[in-house]
Amino acid sequence: EVQLQESGPGLVKPSQSLSLTCSVTGYSITSNYWGWIRKFPGNKMEWMGYISYSGSTSYNPSLKSRISITRDTSKNQFFLQLNSVTTEDTATYYCARELPGYNYGFDYWGQGVMVTVSS
Amino acid sequence: DIQMTQSPSFLSASVGDRVTINCKASQNINKYLNWYQQKLGEAPKLLIYNTNNLQTGIPSRFSGSGSGTDYTLTISSLQPEDVATYFCLQHSSRPNTFGAGTKLELK
Repeated sequence: EVQLQESGPGLVKPSQSLSLTCSVTGYSITSNYWGWIRKFPGNKMEWMGYISYSGSTSYNPSLKSRISITRDTSKNQFFLQLNSVTTEDTATYYCARELPGYNYGFDYWGQGVMVTVSS
Repeated sequence: DIQMTQSPSFLSASVGDRVTINCKASQNINKYLNWYQQKLGEAPKLLIYNTNNLQTGIPSRFSGSGSGTDYTLTISSLQPEDVATYFCLQHSSRPNTFGAGTKLELK
């Protein structure tokens, strides 16, 4: 069974970088597309970006140059880095697998990790 | 970006009721619409993909319909285990965008 698990610090200071790991079991990240999504307080959700089976990436323009998604295929993990965070980046962050093909939405999700940006 | 307007935000219904939740897109999304269920503290679960395709393992009381800009999730006979938040996702274009969610509770 495909399982995803997010991990990382729950508290980040403003202006610093947020770094999260998504560990995947039961499926290789060298297949499909793998994304990051966040859910803000108040429940608005935002697609942040993806890394593909080949390592190519695509990001939400709203995040401009602050975001980077990378991977370690030997550990079957992919990562989110979000730079220059503000309190507006406080959210629950999810990693997820896209359905086979391109841009068919997500089928498997992690449980999410809550990240608070505060001094 | 495509805006997704989901309604209602909150829904209270009785066991056995037929429940409908709606998502309206700001432009035609060509049936590229998924529905998810999220219970408290759990990962979101895919219920329906591409408007009306039931994900493997999902009970048949869940169904989806729609076209163009208007889409509906229907639960034909509400069960206690269906208490959750439901949200839609359009994957017609990037960035993918989400509905704001519907919190479903038992009356």
